[in-house]
Order: sequence, then structure tokens, then C-alpha cells
Amino acid sequence: AQSVTQLGSHVSVSEGALVLLRCNYSSSVPPYLFWYVQYPNQGLQLLLKYTTGATLVKGINGFEAEFKKSETSFHLTKPSAHMSDAAEYFCAVSSNTGNQFYFGTGTSLTVIP
Amino acid sequence: KAGVTQTPRYLIKTRGQQVTLSCSPISGHRSVSWYQQTPGQGLQFLFEYFSETQRNKGNFPGRFSGRQFSNSRSEMNVSTLELGDSALYLCASSLAPQGETQYFGPGTRLLVL
Repeated sequence: AQSVTQLGSHVSVSEGALVLLRCNYSSSVPPYLFWYVQYPNQGLQLLLKYTTGATLVKGINGFEAEFKKSETSFHLTKPSAHMSDAAEYFCAVSSNTGNQFYFGTGTSLTVIP
Repeated sequence: KAGVTQTPRYLIKTRGQQVTLSCSPISGHRSVSWYQQTPGQGLQFLFEYFSETQRNKGNFPGRFSGRQFSNSRSEMNVSTLELGDSALYLCASSLAPQGETQYFGPGTRLLVL
């Protein structure tokens, strides 16, 4: 079975500050891990994904995430927050045995000017 | 390539009615998944189709059904609508199952009165 836990349903950062959104997963098989962003009244947009290989994954808009197997984590970071980063962020896990995605409950990011 | 399209974008129905939502995947994508998104429950997996066959189904009542056509377009149907069915319904497509990245459409927002 697979599941995702996102710690912190709401995160606020100042513009220019570090963004850290936490994601922990459980999976009985090697996971595929994803971060998606959702802006109001829109669908989900892929930020980045980890399947195999390099554990530090770079995505769009300056975001990156590191897969840490020992900690079962896939935290999302961005060195400097921008006002346009305000959105809902979802972590998801899948596997190479099936296409069902398991999403976390989401983290709403607020950027304070 | 055009992205995932969903029609209609907005829908208002009354209790007891039925509704059909449509999803056209990215060209070449053969897997289509459906999700229900509500503020209280977050993103919940409804079902997934690949090559006109339902491969996975989430924990939803039988009032929720779907199908996929030979051109990979998919429809989902909800019969005997309830107030709690008000939600954003998201469709996602991928090249194939087994952990492939899912690309989301903008969603259909359903309001049941």
C-alpha cells in the first residue's frame, strides 16, 4: 500500500525567503514521487518528478526536491519565494506496478510581501 | 500538443439528476484517470482506464461510473446526484500505466443544488 503525508496544511513565508514544503511517503515498492501545483480554479500542473537515478530533482519555476529513501521523504524547496508561488501544492506517490496516484492532502503556500 | 481538455467547465444540477463529464486526453495518451476534489476530502481517486478497460477503481459508490472510447476519450457519469457530489472533477492522462506522469485538465466544477 502507498500513502503520502504532507506536514503543514498552510505555510506562510516572506517574499525572498526559503520555501520548504514537507512530504513523507510510505510505499512497499520503489516509489515514483511527484510534486504538483494548483492555482485557483485550475487543474494540477507538474512541478517535478522522481522515478530513478539522481535523488536531487530540479523542476520548473526554481523548485527542487530531494528523494531521501532512509527518511522516506521528498521535501520541496525553493531558495527564494516569489509572490507568484502562492498556490496549493500536492505531493503524490505512484509505483511501477500501477498507475494509481496517491495524493497528499495538500499544502497551501502564502507568500507575504 | 494540446493539453487535456474537459467539458463542460462548469455545471449546475439539482439533486436526483444525472450528469456526464467528458475528458479528451493528450494526443497519444492511452491512460485516463479521474479524481474528485473537495475542500474536505482533498483529491480522491475515482477510476482509471487504459485501452478502454477500467484498471483501477477508487472507493466510490456505484452511482459513479465511467468509460473510455477507442480514441482514448473518456466520460464519467454520476447518477442520482447528491449535494455531496458538488466538487471539482479532474481528469488526467498519461502515456501508459505503471507510474507514468499524469497530466491534468482544468477540471469540471459541478454544483449540485
